[in-house]
Amino acid sequence: AQSVTQLGSHVSVSEGALVLLRCNYSSSVPPYLFWYVQYPNQGLQLLLKYTSAATLVKGINGFEAEFKKSETSFHLTKPSAHMSDAAEYFCAVSSGGSYIPTFGRGTSLIVHP
Amino acid sequence: SQTIHQWPATLVQPVGSPLSLECTVEGTSNPNLYWYRQAAGRGLQLLFYSVGIGQISSEVPQNLSASRPQDRQFILSSKKLLLSDSGFYLCAVDGNNEKLFFGSGTQLSVL
Repeated sequence: AQSVTQLGSHVSVSEGALVLLRCNYSSSVPPYLFWYVQYPNQGLQLLLKYTSAATLVKGINGFEAEFKKSETSFHLTKPSAHMSDAAEYFCAVSSGGSYIPTFGRGTSLIVHP
Repeated sequence: SQTIHQWPATLVQPVGSPLSLECTVEGTSNPNLYWYRQAAGRGLQLLFYSVGIGQISSEVPQNLSASRPQDRQFILSSKKLLLSDSGFYLCAVDGNNEKLFFGSGTQLSVL
């Protein structure tokens, strides 16, 4: 069984501040981990993915995430927030040979001037 | 790369009316296809997935059904909509390296 917990349904930051969105996962086998972004009234787009290569994964738009097995975490970060980063962010896990991912409930990132 | 066409973009339907949402995929063959629903505050819920024509797996008991009449066509249906069926419906297809490509979604409001 696999599951994902995203801590905080809303995260608010100032423009230029560090962005940190938290994700913890549960999986009985080595996982594949993903972060997706959803802009209003649109589908989801892949930001980055971890598939057992480097533990620090760099994605689009300056985002990156670090896989920490000991903490079962895959937090998403960006050094400096832009107004255009305001969106819903979803963490997802897939494992055990099944490509069907389980998604977290999402975190809404709010960026204010 | 895959292209996903999903329509309509928005839909307002009365309670008890039927539903048909269509998703078609281009740029791939024999894909795995998915229907997700996104309800306010509940994240993304997998409703159905299909690994081939006529093969449908349901993840949750509900008022909806899905069909896959052709390799790259996935349809979500209901005979009688409930208020609780309101939400944002997303079709998705497996891409390379396990990631999903999503359609642009259908916002369904049941009144």
